[in-house]
Amino acid sequence: AQKVTQAQTEISVVEKEDVTLDCVYETRDTTYYLFWYKQPPSGELVFLIRRNSFDEQNEISGRYSWNFQKSTSSFNFTITASQVVDSAVYFCALSEEARAGNMLTFGGGTRLMVKP
Amino acid sequence: KAGVTQTPRYLIKTRGQQVTLSCSPISGHRSVSWYQQTPGQGLQFLFEYFSETQRNKGNFPGRFSGRQFSNSRSEMNVSTLELGDSALYLCASARGGLGAGAYNEQFFGPGTRLTVL
Repeated sequence: AQKVTQAQTEISVVEKEDVTLDCVYETRDTTYYLFWYKQPPSGELVFLIRRNSFDEQNEISGRYSWNFQKSTSSFNFTITASQVVDSAVYFCALSEEARAGNMLTFGGGTRLMVKP
Repeated sequence: KAGVTQTPRYLIKTRGQQVTLSCSPISGHRSVSWYQQTPGQGLQFLFEYFSETQRNKGNFPGRFSGRQFSNSRSEMNVSTLELGDSALYLCASARGGLGAGAYNEQFFGPGTRLTVL
């Protein structure tokens, strides 16, 4: 069965600090996809990144970077020089290719609070 | 391009009633998924519809049902409401081509917040 664990339920940092959100996943499938979503107070989930299981290359997008390590089943997300606008709940999610369709299994989420 | 729209945005019902929520996907998207978000259980997958057929189903009781119309709009229905059904119900749309399920980026709507009293 697939499972996603985000051990950090809440993180509080001061603006301009770097912060890493952890994500650990479990799956029996060899082909799978990992995602990060941001949920601001408005409630709408905003897509940040998708990674497939064959691509372990780290990715950087502006202040955001992602570290995918199959050996430890982790897909961590780092925000560099955090800003108040980064305050939100962040979800890591997993989708298995063996299961046709768009079903996502989400982690419990990490609430990030960035204080000015 | 218009995003995913959900109606109504807020709803208050009493136990035992039934409710219907609506989701209009992004134009051209044929897959619609529904998720329930609660403080206790987090985000949980309810079901997915693709071309008017249910393609996947989560672990929810039969009181939760859905359907999709030929224009890809989807509705979900909850019968005999319980207090525990109070939640944010999110709808997501994706292109959903055959064999490309897991590749599809899902776009989420703003959700319908259901309160059961």
